[in-house]
Amino acid sequence: DAKTTQPPSMDCAEGRAANLPCNHSTISGNEYVYWYRQIHSQGPQYIIHGLKNNETNEMASLIITEDRKSSTLILPHATLRDTAVYYCIVRVANSGNTPLVFGKGTRLSVIA
Amino acid sequence: KAGVTQTPRYLIKTRGQQVTLSCSPISGHRSVSWYQQTPGQGLQFLFEYFSETQRNKGNFPGRFSGRQFSNSRSEMNVSTLELGDSALYLCASSLDTSGVYEQYFGPGTRLTVT
Repeated sequence: DAKTTQPPSMDCAEGRAANLPCNHSTISGNEYVYWYRQIHSQGPQYIIHGLKNNETNEMASLIITEDRKSSTLILPHATLRDTAVYYCIVRVANSGNTPLVFGKGTRLSVIA
Repeated sequence: KAGVTQTPRYLIKTRGQQVTLSCSPISGHRSVSWYQQTPGQGLQFLFEYFSETQRNKGNFPGRFSGRQFSNSRSEMNVSTLELGDSALYLCASSLDTSGVYEQYFGPGTRLTVT
């Protein structure tokens, strides 16, 4: 079962920042927070991941609370192409590959 | 660098038949994972291969199997197809270094069983 809780849907005006919350209150010390998104009928796309520090890349920023029990994915200037289902995933870090456990995600609709 | 490719993209099969799907990972990636996506169950992990060995397996019946070749390309096979096997089958590849690494997904193969 997924170890994260996300709102089922959100709307965002085009050009505005989209802030997608994720609760992971049972996260362990060796678990990372990953974000993926899936545009309709395409394969999921990796966005960003982090352990405890805030992270930023060309797509988004990831803000993790100090107690690591929740995080927020920020798309700074949402466009219509950002309309997708966003998945927050908690994944253990080890030397082998651990599968991604997807929940239901948040369906983000960017509105013109 | 080319992304993950999957063939075929679309497939229609009849109940009782078998099917083989193919996945070519990103160059240099040695780990290949397979996922099934259905409207009812969402995205579910099938299995993962690394260096031609199955390393992880999800909760699916033995009708679902896979393999990986020495060039890291992977195939998955579903035998005795059932209507419920209709789904989007996704392949993901990743590097396998110690620590944490992201998975990159292909576009998927949409299988319809009639």
